[in-house]
Amino acid sequence: NAGVTQTPKFQVLKTGQSMTLQCAQDMNHNSMYWYRQDPGMGLRLIYYSASEGTTDKGEVPNGYNVSRLNKREFSLRLESAAPSQTSVYFCASSERVTYEQYFGPGTRLTVT
Amino acid sequence: QQPVQSPQAVILREGEDAVINCSSSKALYSVHWYRQKHGEAPVFLMILLKGGEQKGHEKISASFNEKKQQSSLYLTASQLSYSGTYFCGTGEVGMRFGAGTRLTVKP
Repeated sequence: NAGVTQTPKFQVLKTGQSMTLQCAQDMNHNSMYWYRQDPGMGLRLIYYSASEGTTDKGEVPNGYNVSRLNKREFSLRLESAAPSQTSVYFCASSERVTYEQYFGPGTRLTVT
Repeated sequence: QQPVQSPQAVILREGEDAVINCSSSKALYSVHWYRQKHGEAPVFLMILLKGGEQKGHEKISASFNEKKQQSSLYLTASQLSYSGTYFCGTGEVGMRFGAGTRLTVKP
């Protein structure tokens, strides 16, 4: 089992460019999450999907959109990237929202 | 509201013990603990549930005081592999993580 996979691993964008971060899990989990982690800080929840067909805002949703494409896949889109969005982005999944979460390897995004 | 962790950092020698604390201003129904090594993804350690149930790591224990809205992670006889940043997470729907406690274990 691959667990949680994310693509790409690294990305450099210019201010104003758009991109989509992809996440997939093969554990048949119902819930999926997107976090960002800034240097020396904890994880902040951007959006989550408690189950297929639902998405909800987390702590820091501004500037992002998400799509729960199917049970396996949950994508994060930056419509117009800003330097403040430079961060490491982690996708995670869990069987249910209160259960332990399994994290992907992360995407390191730099916006210049 | 993010939970508050203390201490921010701790340095140990192999074999020493450490306690990491996590407190919340909101009522807690469960607390998650994760460890993250430098440059890697967080890895699940333990869940503590209201009512006392625990699930998780064999060599790391934790407590959960619902009335005080606090949890503590106990690392006993620390090993070099325990080094990393420890995060607590709270929240029924949509996890909120603390800022982390950086643990360094030296030989």
